[in-house]
Amino acid sequence: GAGVSQSPRYKVAKRGQDVALRCDPISGHVSLFWYQQALGQGPEFLTYFQNEAQLDKSGLPSDRFFAERPEGSVSTLKIQRTQQEDSAVYLCASSAEMGARTKQFFGPGTRLTVL
Amino acid sequence: AQSVTQLDSHVSVSEGTPVLLRCNYSSSYSPSLFWYVQHPNKGLQLLLKYTSAATLVKGINGFEAEFKKSETSFHLTKPSAHMSDAAEYFCVVSEGVNFGNEKLTFGTGTRLTIIP
Repeated sequence: GAGVSQSPRYKVAKRGQDVALRCDPISGHVSLFWYQQALGQGPEFLTYFQNEAQLDKSGLPSDRFFAERPEGSVSTLKIQRTQQEDSAVYLCASSAEMGARTKQFFGPGTRLTVL
Repeated sequence: AQSVTQLDSHVSVSEGTPVLLRCNYSSSYSPSLFWYVQHPNKGLQLLLKYTSAATLVKGINGFEAEFKKSETSFHLTKPSAHMSDAAEYFCVVSEGVNFGNEKLTFGTGTRLTIIP
């Protein structure tokens, strides 16, 4: 079966533009995670959904970042008024079980470049 | 608070020789520990995880790691390197006091190069 997919794979935005990044998790997976990976760094946690409930959004760097998963499957990460420091790879992961200590399956990421 | 330190940013070994990637962690509670691998243009993949069962954990592709609480270490090893092992490796810690509060904290990564 298909793994986790993300779209677009690459996104270039001008500073101040809004962007929306999509994640399609593995079908039936209850947990969904978003991470931000800056160049040369490890991924950093942004937010966690259990089905449609956003249980943890402590990693979102500012109120410009917003994530949703309205039907408990597809998720969208939205960044408003993008800044250069938002340039990074945004990773989505899903898991068949609840919680972060389970086996997470990662998508290929969306590389966001803010000019 | 939890954190993880990967002691080497780059490791180079010859094909067929042993691999050692070092990781030290800091955690206030009993942690779960993971190693993830990231091949170029591919998603992160779980190699192995430790969750308070056996201290020697075997993973995929011949990798294993040993949890040493006294040394707060979780080093990754493989007896014989293969060209396909060339990738970025991340050591990851998770401490969960309460269910649902179990975010993963990644290290900065170790790039493994295999010399033919």
